[in-house]
Amino acid sequence: EIVLTQSPGTLSLSPGERVTLSCRASQSVSSTYLAWYQQKPGQAPRLLIYGASSRATGIPDRFSGSGSGTDFTLTISRLEPEDFAVYYCQQYGSSPFTFGPGTKVDSK
Amino acid sequence: DVQLVESGGGLVQPGGSLRLSCVASGFTFSSHVMNWVRQAPGKGLEWISYISSGSVSLYYAESVKGRFTISRDNGENSLYLQMNSLRAEDTAVYYCARGLGAGRQPVDYWGQGTLVTVSS
Repeated sequence: EIVLTQSPGTLSLSPGERVTLSCRASQSVSSTYLAWYQQKPGQAPRLLIYGASSRATGIPDRFSGSGSGTDFTLTISRLEPEDFAVYYCQQYGSSPFTFGPGTKVDSK
Repeated sequence: DVQLVESGGGLVQPGGSLRLSCVASGFTFSSHVMNWVRQAPGKGLEWISYISSGSVSLYYAESVKGRFTISRDNGENSLYLQMNSLRAEDTAVYYCARGLGAGRQPVDYWGQGTLVTVSS
C-alpha cells in the first residue's frame, strides 16, 4: 500500500499569501496518478488537480500542481478567502487508492 | 448536470448489514469507473472501493475486504455497496464518487453522502 504523508498539518495564512502544500508518497506513484482535492466543512470534496499537474474543469489558474515519483506539491499563487479549506492528495495508480491525511488551510 | 444520489444509510447494530445505492444521472454511466469513499466524523477521506466501467476490475481497501462488495448496474445507472459484518469503525459518511473516465481515474464528481452509523 502506498502511504501518503501531507505537510504541514495546518497552515494559518492571510488572503493574498502564496501557499505551498506537500504530499510525499512511501513509494513511487505510477504514471503520475496523483490528484489534489479541496474540501470545505459540510461539503463533498472538489477535484482541483489530476495527473499531478492538470487542472480540473473550472479550477482557477491560481491553483497549480507539480512533482513526480514520490514528491508532489500543490501551490496556490495568491490565497483567496474562499480557499480556506482542507486539501487532500490521493494516488490512484495502485490499489488501494489512498488519500493523504489532509492539510488544513485556515485564516490567520 | 451530473448528479449522484446515495441512499440506504442509517443506524445498524454491530455485525449487521446495509446496502447502499447510488443513482447516477446527467452522464453516460457505463463510460465511467465508480468508487465509494468514506469519511468518519471529523476525520479525513478514506477510499474504500472501485469498480471499472464494465465491472471487470474490483478493488477494495484492506479495512473492508471480505466484508463489503461493490457492484453496478449500467442499465439502471446505479452503483451499490453491500456492507456486511459492520463494525463501529465503519461509522462514516459514504460518498458515491465518479471517476473522470475509464481506467485509473481521479474522482471528479461526488454525491452528497449518506451517513452510516454502527452502534448498539
